[in-house]
Amino acid sequence: EAAVTQSPRNKVAVTGGKVTLSCNQTNNHNNMYWYRQDTGHGLRLIHYSYGAGSTEKGDIPDGYKASRPSQENFSLILELATPSQTSVYFCASGEQGANTEVFFGKGTRLTVV
Amino acid sequence: GDSVTQTEGLVTLTEGLPVMLNCTYQSTYSPFLFWYVQHLNEAPKLLLKSFTDNKRPEHQGFHATLHKSSSSFHLQKSSAQLSDSALYYCACNNAGAKLTFGGGTRLTVRP
Repeated sequence: EAAVTQSPRNKVAVTGGKVTLSCNQTNNHNNMYWYRQDTGHGLRLIHYSYGAGSTEKGDIPDGYKASRPSQENFSLILELATPSQTSVYFCASGEQGANTEVFFGKGTRLTVV
Repeated sequence: GDSVTQTEGLVTLTEGLPVMLNCTYQSTYSPFLFWYVQHLNEAPKLLLKSFTDNKRPEHQGFHATLHKSSSSFHLQKSSAQLSDSALYYCACNNAGAKLTFGGGTRLTVRP
């Protein structure tokens, strides 16, 4: 089974601070994703990547940056965290192709106070 | 861009009754459709998927038929179990990378 590991699992940040969420996958998948999960909104795509060095904007990229320094690692960066970014964040990975399964990490619960 | 609509945010039913969770989509092209399930404190995981019109994939007692004429991919099960209580997401992908999810339906099955 595909392994996607997120760190940290829980984070409390202060408003205006910088937050980095990390994700590592060990299955050599080309595609990686960052989603946030909020009640009533489901899973919304923030950024995604086709491979090392690439990042693409998803549906809600404002206030977030992403970095894909290697095939295995994909980070989500909040330069100036705001309380509206309090959420559960999921990283996922998958092979190329519209019909392929996406594998999720266990999520990071971020609270911005 | 693509969009997925799940009309029910919450569904509560009694064990043994049939389950039907609605999903409709809008897409420029002919996408792949997916159902993902997320149990409490777990990661979402694939339940089933389809691309072929009027074909009915099944998994763990659940099935869903893709109807391209109505842009629908409703999830069904003949008899709900307590262990089916979870958050269910419908999703579509037609561009190879961008997987778009609906708002999710929380299913609660009571004894």
